[in-house]
Amino acid sequence: EVQLLESGGGLIQPGGSLRLSCTASGFTFENIGMTWVRQAPGKGLEWVSFITNAGGYTYYADSVKGRFTISRDNSKNTLYLQMHGLRADDTAVYYCAKDRGAVMPMHFLDSWGQGTLVTVSS
Amino acid sequence: QSVLTQPPSVSGAPGQRVTISCTGSSSNIGAGYDVHWYQQLPRTAPKLLIYANTNRPSGVPDRFSGSKSGTSASLAITGLQPEDEADYYCQSYDNSLSGKVFGGGTKLTVL
Repeated sequence: EVQLLESGGGLIQPGGSLRLSCTASGFTFENIGMTWVRQAPGKGLEWVSFITNAGGYTYYADSVKGRFTISRDNSKNTLYLQMHGLRADDTAVYYCAKDRGAVMPMHFLDSWGQGTLVTVSS
Repeated sequence: QSVLTQPPSVSGAPGQRVTISCTGSSSNIGAGYDVHWYQQLPRTAPKLLIYANTNRPSGVPDRFSGSKSGTSASLAITGLQPEDEADYYCQSYDNSLSGKVFGGGTKLTVL
Protein backbone atom coordinates (compact mmCIF):
# COMPACT_ATOMS: atom_id res chain seq x y z
CA GLU A 1 0.00 0.00 0.00
CA VAL A 2 1.31 3.42 -0.98
CA GLN A 3 1.82 5.77 1.95
CA LEU A 4 2.94 9.38 1.85
CA LEU A 5 3.48 11.21 5.11
CA GLU A 6 4.18 14.93 5.10
CA SER A 7 5.75 16.82 7.98
CA GLY A 8 7.35 20.16 8.74
CA GLY A 9 4.40 22.50 8.55
CA GLY A 10 3.66 25.12 11.14
CA LEU A 11 3.34 28.82 11.87
CA ILE A 12 6.04 30.99 10.33
CA GLN A 13 6.48 34.75 10.10
CA PRO A 14 6.41 36.52 6.74
CA GLY A 15 9.82 36.39 5.12
CA GLY A 16 10.74 33.24 6.98
CA SER A 17 11.84 29.82 5.77
CA LEU A 18 10.48 26.34 6.26
CA ARG A 19 11.32 22.88 4.95
CA LEU A 20 8.61 20.31 4.33
CA SER A 21 9.33 16.60 4.13
CA CYS A 22 7.36 13.72 2.66
CA THR A 23 8.31 10.16 3.52
CA ALA A 24 7.16 7.57 1.03
CA SER A 25 6.59 3.84 1.26
CA GLY A 26 4.83 1.09 -0.63
CA PHE A 27 6.41 1.74 -4.03
CA THR A 28 9.82 2.05 -5.66
CA PHE A 29 10.46 5.70 -4.87
CA GLU A 30 13.49 6.13 -7.13
CA ASN A 31 11.40 5.22 -10.20
CA ILE A 32 8.69 7.83 -9.70
CA GLY A 33 8.43 11.57 -10.22
CA MET A 34 6.99 13.44 -7.26
CA THR A 35 4.81 16.53 -6.95
CA TRP A 36 3.82 19.13 -4.38
CA VAL A 37 0.31 20.60 -4.55
CA ARG A 38 -1.09 23.19 -2.17
CA GLN A 39 -4.55 24.30 -1.13
CA ALA A 40 -5.18 27.64 0.54
CA PRO A 41 -7.95 27.67 3.17
CA GLY A 42 -11.31 27.37 1.44
CA LYS A 43 -9.69 27.48 -2.01
CA GLY A 44 -8.87 25.08 -4.81
CA LEU A 45 -5.83 23.01 -5.64
CA GLU A 46 -2.67 24.66 -6.97
CA TRP A 47 0.25 22.75 -8.47
CA VAL A 48 3.52 23.88 -6.85
CA SER A 49 6.40 21.78 -8.13
CA PHE A 50 7.55 18.52 -9.74
CA ILE A 51 10.83 16.65 -9.56
CA THR A 52 11.96 13.84 -11.84
CA ASN A 53 12.62 10.36 -10.47
CA ALA A 54 16.38 10.83 -10.25
CA GLY A 55 16.09 14.43 -9.09
CA GLY A 56 17.90 15.87 -12.07
CA TYR A 57 15.13 18.12 -13.32
CA THR A 58 12.67 20.31 -11.45
CA TYR A 59 9.65 22.37 -12.46
CA TYR A 60 7.90 25.15 -10.56
CA ALA A 61 4.74 27.22 -10.66
CA ASP A 62 5.46 30.87 -11.39
CA SER A 63 4.05 31.80 -7.97
CA VAL A 64 6.90 30.02 -6.15
CA LYS A 65 9.75 30.11 -8.67
CA GLY A 66 12.91 31.50 -7.13
CA ARG A 67 11.61 31.06 -3.58
CA PHE A 68 10.88 27.32 -3.29
CA THR A 69 13.20 24.41 -4.03
CA ILE A 70 12.05 20.83 -4.48
CA SER A 71 14.52 18.02 -3.85
CA ARG A 72 14.60 14.36 -2.96
CA ASP A 73 16.79 11.77 -1.26
CA ASN A 74 16.12 8.44 -2.91
CA SER A 75 18.22 6.63 -0.30
CA LYS A 76 15.75 7.84 2.34
CA ASN A 77 12.57 7.63 0.22
CA THR A 78 11.98 11.26 1.10
CA LEU A 79 10.79 14.30 -0.84
CA TYR A 80 11.46 17.85 0.33
CA LEU A 81 10.18 21.34 -0.30
CA GLN A 82 12.44 24.13 0.94
CA MET A 83 10.50 27.37 1.16
CA HIS A 84 12.09 30.81 1.52
CA GLY A 85 10.66 34.32 1.51
CA LEU A 86 7.31 33.06 2.71
CA ARG A 87 4.31 35.34 2.22
CA ALA A 88 0.81 35.36 3.61
CA ASP A 89 -0.52 33.97 0.34
CA ASP A 90 1.66 30.89 0.77
CA THR A 91 -0.61 29.87 3.64
CA ALA A 92 -2.04 26.50 2.63
CA VAL A 93 -2.17 22.80 3.21
CA TYR A 94 0.74 21.31 1.27
CA TYR A 95 0.24 17.85 -0.18
CA CYS A 96 2.90 15.61 -1.60
CA ALA A 97 1.69 13.31 -4.32
CA LYS A 98 2.99 10.37 -6.28
CA ASP A 99 3.12 11.26 -9.95
CA ARG A 100 2.28 8.81 -12.68
CA GLY A 101 5.21 10.04 -14.71
CA ALA A 102 8.92 9.80 -13.99
CA VAL A 103 10.44 12.57 -16.08
CA MET A 104 7.74 15.05 -17.07
CA PRO A 105 5.05 16.83 -15.02
CA MET A 106 2.30 16.08 -17.53
CA HIS A 107 0.70 13.08 -15.87
CA PHE A 108 -1.79 12.48 -13.09
CA LEU A 109 -1.35 12.05 -9.36
CA ASP A 110 -2.35 8.59 -8.24
CA SER A 111 -1.67 8.85 -4.51
CA TRP A 112 -1.72 11.78 -2.11
CA GLY A 113 -0.49 12.36 1.41
CA GLN A 114 -2.73 13.76 4.11
CA GLY A 115 -1.13 17.21 3.87
CA THR A 116 0.69 19.53 6.24
CA LEU A 117 -0.54 23.03 7.08
CA VAL A 118 1.75 26.01 6.60
CA THR A 119 0.52 29.26 8.11
CA VAL A 120 2.41 32.45 7.29
CA SER A 121 1.46 35.16 9.74
CA SER A 122 2.99 37.63 12.14
CA GLN B 1 -8.24 32.70 -11.75
CA SER B 2 -7.64 29.06 -12.64
CA VAL B 3 -6.29 28.02 -16.04
CA LEU B 4 -9.05 25.43 -16.36
CA THR B 5 -12.61 26.65 -15.81
CA GLN B 6 -15.18 24.68 -13.85
CA PRO B 7 -18.61 25.71 -12.56
CA PRO B 8 -18.36 26.59 -8.85
CA SER B 9 -21.26 24.35 -7.93
CA VAL B 10 -23.69 21.74 -9.20
CA SER B 11 -26.46 19.89 -7.44
CA GLY B 12 -28.78 16.99 -7.95
CA ALA B 13 -31.19 14.73 -6.12
CA PRO B 14 -30.28 11.17 -5.17
CA GLY B 15 -30.45 8.91 -8.18
CA GLN B 16 -30.10 11.72 -10.68
CA ARG B 17 -27.29 12.41 -13.16
CA VAL B 18 -25.05 15.46 -13.04
CA THR B 19 -22.19 16.63 -15.21
CA ILE B 20 -19.25 18.89 -14.40
CA SER B 21 -17.50 20.70 -17.21
CA CYS B 22 -13.85 21.65 -17.46
CA THR B 23 -12.86 24.17 -20.11
CA GLY B 24 -9.30 24.85 -21.14
CA SER B 25 -7.44 26.29 -24.10
CA SER B 26 -5.05 25.48 -26.92
CA SER B 27 -2.08 25.23 -24.57
CA ASN B 28 -3.57 22.52 -22.38
CA ILE B 29 -6.65 20.41 -23.16
CA GLY B 30 -6.82 21.67 -26.74
CA ALA B 31 -3.20 20.70 -27.28
CA GLY B 32 -4.14 17.09 -26.72
CA TYR B 33 -3.06 16.66 -23.12
CA ASP B 34 -5.08 14.30 -21.01
CA VAL B 35 -7.59 15.44 -18.43
CA HIS B 36 -7.80 13.85 -15.00
CA TRP B 37 -10.37 14.23 -12.25
CA TYR B 38 -10.05 14.17 -8.47
CA GLN B 39 -12.63 13.89 -5.73
CA GLN B 40 -12.05 15.66 -2.42
CA LEU B 41 -14.39 14.65 0.36
CA PRO B 42 -14.76 17.13 3.20
CA ARG B 43 -11.62 17.48 5.30
CA THR B 44 -9.68 14.86 3.36
CA ALA B 45 -6.96 14.77 0.74
CA PRO B 46 -7.93 14.59 -2.94
CA LYS B 47 -8.32 11.18 -4.49
CA LEU B 48 -7.85 10.21 -8.14
CA LEU B 49 -11.24 9.58 -9.72
CA ILE B 50 -10.70 9.51 -13.50
CA TYR B 51 -7.38 9.44 -15.35
CA ALA B 52 -6.49 9.96 -18.99
CA ASN B 53 -9.91 11.36 -19.84
CA THR B 54 -12.01 8.23 -19.47
CA ASN B 55 -10.31 5.68 -17.21
CA ARG B 56 -11.34 4.74 -13.70
CA PRO B 57 -8.81 3.49 -11.13
CA SER B 58 -9.76 0.23 -9.48
CA GLY B 59 -12.34 0.76 -6.79
CA VAL B 60 -14.04 3.75 -8.41
CA PRO B 61 -17.67 2.91 -9.21
CA ASP B 62 -18.75 2.92 -12.84
CA ARG B 63 -21.27 5.61 -11.94
CA PHE B 64 -18.37 7.98 -12.58
CA SER B 65 -17.31 8.57 -16.18
CA GLY B 66 -15.23 11.08 -18.08
CA SER B 67 -15.07 12.44 -21.58
CA LYS B 68 -13.02 14.93 -23.54
CA SER B 69 -13.60 16.87 -26.73
CA GLY B 70 -11.66 19.76 -28.19
CA THR B 71 -10.69 22.19 -25.45
CA SER B 72 -13.12 20.77 -22.87
CA ALA B 73 -13.76 17.74 -20.73
CA SER B 74 -16.64 16.53 -18.61
CA LEU B 75 -17.21 14.38 -15.57
CA ALA B 76 -20.56 12.62 -15.35
CA ILE B 77 -21.98 11.08 -12.21
CA THR B 78 -25.05 8.90 -12.54
CA GLY B 79 -27.23 7.48 -9.78
CA LEU B 80 -26.19 10.22 -7.36
CA GLN B 81 -25.62 9.09 -3.79
CA PRO B 82 -25.27 11.19 -0.64
CA GLU B 83 -21.65 10.12 -0.27
CA ASP B 84 -20.85 11.72 -3.62
CA GLU B 85 -21.15 15.14 -1.99
CA ALA B 86 -17.62 16.52 -2.40
CA ASP B 87 -15.43 18.92 -4.36
CA TYR B 88 -14.33 17.79 -7.81
CA TYR B 89 -11.26 19.07 -9.65
CA CYS B 90 -10.07 18.60 -13.20
CA GLN B 91 -6.36 18.65 -14.02
CA SER B 92 -4.27 18.72 -17.16
CA TYR B 93 -0.87 19.89 -18.35
CA ASP B 94 -0.14 23.27 -19.87
CA ASN B 95 2.78 23.56 -22.28
CA SER B 96 3.09 27.33 -21.94
CA LEU B 97 3.41 27.03 -18.16
CA SER B 98 5.37 23.75 -18.27
CA GLY B 99 3.36 22.39 -15.41
CA LYS B 100 0.16 20.85 -14.18
CA VAL B 101 -2.94 23.00 -14.11
CA PHE B 102 -6.10 22.50 -12.09
CA GLY B 103 -9.63 23.71 -12.45
CA GLY B 104 -11.02 25.89 -9.70
CA GLY B 105 -13.10 23.03 -8.36
CA THR B 106 -16.82 22.25 -8.35
CA LYS B 107 -18.80 21.65 -5.19
CA LEU B 108 -21.37 18.91 -5.68
CA THR B 109 -24.38 19.06 -3.41
CA VAL B 110 -26.72 16.07 -3.20
CA LEU B 111 -30.10 17.50 -2.35
